[in-house]
Amino acid sequence: GEDVEQSLFLSVREGDSSVINCTYTDSSSTYLYWYKQEPGAGLQLLTYIFSNMDMKQDQRLTVLLNKKDKHLSLRIADTQTGDSAIYFCAEKGETSYDKVIFGPGTSLSVIP
Amino acid sequence: GAVVSQHPSWVICKSGTSVKIECRSLDFQATTMFWYRQFPKQSLMLMATSNEGSKATYEQGVEKDKFLINHASLTLSTLTVTSAHPEDSSFYICSARRLAKNIQYFGAGTRLSVL
Repeated sequence: GEDVEQSLFLSVREGDSSVINCTYTDSSSTYLYWYKQEPGAGLQLLTYIFSNMDMKQDQRLTVLLNKKDKHLSLRIADTQTGDSAIYFCAEKGETSYDKVIFGPGTSLSVIP
Repeated sequence: GAVVSQHPSWVICKSGTSVKIECRSLDFQATTMFWYRQFPKQSLMLMATSNEGSKATYEQGVEKDKFLINHASLTLSTLTVTSAHPEDSSFYICSARRLAKNIQYFGAGTRLSVL
């Protein structure tokens, strides 16, 4: 079945770049998302990319997609302490009937 | 835009009572809403999908008589945990999606504690 994998933890120093990686198994994935969850809160959509794109940049966030390897990454430039949170990678097929499949989440800790 | 409001944010109840959680899309019409459950330090587990005006579709292993879902309007879905027990204690998150769109927007979640 469909599966999304992420490393569970990442620790970076404030000001450095963070790179969170994700792999997925469903070759028909059409939409790939990154969500951020702060403690005790819901999920905030950070960005998303279509499967026909290789890269998307939005301010400090850069998403790279390698469709051949089914690998997605989220790069956060100039990481701040406020970026400490859990980041979920998710994918979805093309139709409205396809469900969003979430990864286990990567806990990002930013060291001051 | 695309704000989803979820209430209450935290509820404590006695075992055996029922609890209702509301999920509202504030600035868009949500033809489909989703209810998730999240255990500590884990990912989201989809419980059910509801389309406005029709019965919810529950995921395998989720008791539909235990978790009643109503999606009576394009901006409101409710989840009622009936006869709650301590094992129902969890973080419940709703999500809403516009017609023919592929982006889900999430509420802030409800922490349910059953004593």
